[in-house]
Amino acid sequence: DVVMTQSPLSLPVTLGQPASISCRSSQSLVYTDGNTYLSWFQQRPGQSPRRLIYKVSNRDSGVPDRFSGSGSGTDFTLKISRVEAEDVGVYYCMQGTHWFTFGQGTKLEIK
Amino acid sequence: ELQLVESGGVLVKPGGSLRLSCAASGFTFSNAWMSWVRQAPGKGPEWIGHIKSKTDGGTTDYAAPVKGRFTISRDDSKNTLYLQMNSLKTEDTAVYYCTSDLDGGPRHWGQGTLVTVSS
Repeated sequence: DVVMTQSPLSLPVTLGQPASISCRSSQSLVYTDGNTYLSWFQQRPGQSPRRLIYKVSNRDSGVPDRFSGSGSGTDFTLKISRVEAEDVGVYYCMQGTHWFTFGQGTKLEIK
Repeated sequence: ELQLVESGGVLVKPGGSLRLSCAASGFTFSNAWMSWVRQAPGKGPEWIGHIKSKTDGGTTDYAAPVKGRFTISRDDSKNTLYLQMNSLKTEDTAVYYCTSDLDGGPRHWGQGTLVTVSS
């Protein structure tokens, strides 16, 4: 099974400051079709998860452009350029190359 | 507007069975690959299985913890996804979400339904 490892697990951030979350997979996420199926999800308190990013760096519709994804192979990053109060929640990376596996989550809070 | 509405979650005893439903609307359900994802209290999401569209074969795949106990099916005439759960264990306690999948992952999620397995 592919293991997804996120860091940090807790991320206190000052409003207006940038934030970055790292995600590493135990094997390459490049699929036979050439795509890399790495997604990022946000789960606000009491809500269902919401996908933000798919295929490493593509924002889903309605996602603010302060969210961006990057990476390749086994190492990936989610960046928030300027954290807002509504960004509080838990962020998960997920690989979709070898079925679906989620990371353990990173809890973002306002400092 | 796309909607996924799960139902059927209840308190059930270990060893029991349960069927969850997910009513879909606002998109062409028959063309969609659909998954069930669960989230135990205080834990991250866990994919438990999916079903392809009939056009793509209609086949199912399952995660190891539920293989042989859970069955995913669909009724495209009713725009409904099902999850049949047998031989339930206490560790199956979770909120169960149905999702519509696109570009390698769950794109849209329902609000979830809580399944509690306890004696």
